[in-house]
Amino acid sequence: EDKVVQSPLSLVVHEGDTVTLNCSYEVTNFRSLLWYKQEKKAPTFLFMLTSSGIEKKSGRLSSILDKKELFSILNITATQTGDSAIYLCAPTQGGSEKLVFGKGTKLTVNP
Amino acid sequence: DVKVTQSSRYLVKRTGEKVFLECVQDMDHENMFWYRQDPGLGLRLIYFSYDVKMKEKGDIPEGYSVSREKKERFSLILESASTNQTSMYLCASSTGAVNTEAFFGQGTRLTVV
Repeated sequence: EDKVVQSPLSLVVHEGDTVTLNCSYEVTNFRSLLWYKQEKKAPTFLFMLTSSGIEKKSGRLSSILDKKELFSILNITATQTGDSAIYLCAPTQGGSEKLVFGKGTKLTVNP
Repeated sequence: DVKVTQSSRYLVKRTGEKVFLECVQDMDHENMFWYRQDPGLGLRLIYFSYDVKMKEKGDIPEGYSVSREKKERFSLILESASTNQTSMYLCASSTGAVNTEAFFGQGTRLTVV
């Protein structure tokens, strides 16, 4: 059975802190891993990771994949209140290209 | 920009009603998906479709059916709504090509009373 575990499930930090969000997965026919940010409404795409060890970076956010150990991390440095959201990781399955979601990490950044 | 549009943001329906949730995408995507999102459970796949008139069950298809008569439109049908189907429903689409992201609609918050 496919499994995606995100940790922590919830996290409260102060502005300026650095956070690391974790995602471990067991998915048949793994193809890639996607990270999404969800505020009030639709999840918005952050990163797609396909190769181990290659960091993807966008501003204060970065992410990396380890295909041997089957996990990914999402780092956010110098957090801001606008980073408050649910962060979702989703491995994709080859063939159908469907996404298998974890439960998400709810990040709250306090001023 | 890719646009995935769900017909309603909020819906309130009575137990036993037949409910239609509509999703339209404007980018000629092959794949379309319906998820429901509940607190503590994350996004769970109900059904997906990789072509017109093609559908496959996801992880929680019970109580739901789908229809894809045209490529751009994917409908989720609750044959007889029940209170345990109160949830946020999210539609998504993707090209179907390898290593491409999925784009989400704004969601429909359905309440069954």
